[in-house]
Amino acid sequence: GQSLEQPSEVTAVEGAIVQINCTYQTSGFYGLSWYQQHDGGAPTFLSYNALDGLEETGRFSSFLSRSDSYGYLLLQELQMKDSASYFCAVRDVQNNAGNMLTFGGGTRLMVKP
Amino acid sequence: IAGITQAPTSQILAAGRRMTLRCTQDMRHNAMYWYRQDLGLGLRLIHYSNTAGTTGKGEVPDGYSVSRANTDDFPLTLASAVPSQTSVYFCASSAGTSGPDTQYFGPGTRLTVL
Repeated sequence: GQSLEQPSEVTAVEGAIVQINCTYQTSGFYGLSWYQQHDGGAPTFLSYNALDGLEETGRFSSFLSRSDSYGYLLLQELQMKDSASYFCAVRDVQNNAGNMLTFGGGTRLMVKP
Repeated sequence: IAGITQAPTSQILAAGRRMTLRCTQDMRHNAMYWYRQDLGLGLRLIHYSNTAGTTGKGEVPDGYSVSRANTDDFPLTLASAVPSQTSVYFCASSAGTSGPDTQYFGPGTRLTVL
């Protein structure tokens, strides 16, 4: 089975940098994904790490350490519109199971002026 | 291009009634998924389908059934709704390839069972 742990809530001010951590336990690891969800909206894909290291996409970066079963999402130059919930997710590719994702409980980020 | 559509947007349902949530994608994706989202519990997979004609059980399948008669449609049926099925339901699809295999989510259906 899979399980993921991430903080339930993080607060930061506009312009700051925030890091959202995710630790996971999985029987078979094929990559760590991050999704963003605004209140009342649908989750949308942000980033994916299959190998150790940092992936950068604009103001957002994601890091993975496979040996530590740990990753994080880094948001720089925070803007008010970044207020949302952020979910880490691991892929579970088993026999005939397709590319199922197991999601963490989500981290609610509140950006204050 | 619409992506993924879900219907209805919201529904209030009496316990014991049968309900089908509809999901249609126009991206020709192989894989489709149904999740439920409850406050503080993130997204939990109900059922999935790797390709048309096949389905599988996710983490919380009890009380739900699905079918995948074609590539585009993946309806979710609650045979006899119970109040614990009150939730927001998201349908998603992905190409079913290696790598990130990004999942694209529909707008969701907010279901209340009384």
